[in-house]
Amino acid sequence: AQSVTQLDSQVPVFEEAPVELRCNYSSSVSVYLFWYVQYPNQGLQLLLKYLSGSTLVKGINGFEAEFNKSQTSFHLRKPSVHISDTAEYFCAVSDHQGGSEKLVFGKGTKLTVNP
Amino acid sequence: ETGVTQTPRHLVMGMTNKKSLKCEQHLGHNAMYWYKQSAKKPLELMFVYNFKEQTENNSVPSRFSPECPNSSHLFLHLHTLQPEDSALYLCASSQVLSYEQYFGPGTRLTVT
Repeated sequence: AQSVTQLDSQVPVFEEAPVELRCNYSSSVSVYLFWYVQYPNQGLQLLLKYLSGSTLVKGINGFEAEFNKSQTSFHLRKPSVHISDTAEYFCAVSDHQGGSEKLVFGKGTKLTVNP
Repeated sequence: ETGVTQTPRHLVMGMTNKKSLKCEQHLGHNAMYWYKQSAKKPLELMFVYNFKEQTENNSVPSRFSPECPNSSHLFLHLHTLQPEDSALYLCASSQVLSYEQYFGPGTRLTVT
């Protein structure tokens, strides 16, 4: 069975500072990996995804993530955050077995960007 | 309307009430999902429909009854709920065999 661990439930940072949100997964097979963002009172929006190919994935709003198979990690980074990046971020994994599109989500990390 | 819409956005119901949540997607997708989002817990997949057929029921109690009359609409019928069922219920859609799911804004359900 797959699982996702987001190590930090809350991350406060100052505007224009860099940020890294950590995500580790466990799976016995190859996986697809995703980061979603949820702004207050909204649904989840896909930030970026890793399916294959380059391990460095670029997404929307200046975010990027790096897939590290040996460390089973998929950390999300942004070099300079804005107030508008305040939201909750969810890491998700799918083992794409048997044509299943099921995603398993982590508990989320609340990013708060302060002025 | 664009994307995935959900109505109502907020719902308060008693434990003996019957109500329904509605989801509609305007993206031409053929897979739809119900998720439950509770505080401090991971997002929980409840049901999956591919081409109107239910392909996943993640051990959801029978007091939750989904209905998918066509690929654009998904309902969640609720009856005899418990206070622990209070949560944000999210609907999502995608193309079958695609991992890119599009989410609606959710229905905030409170069971009193």
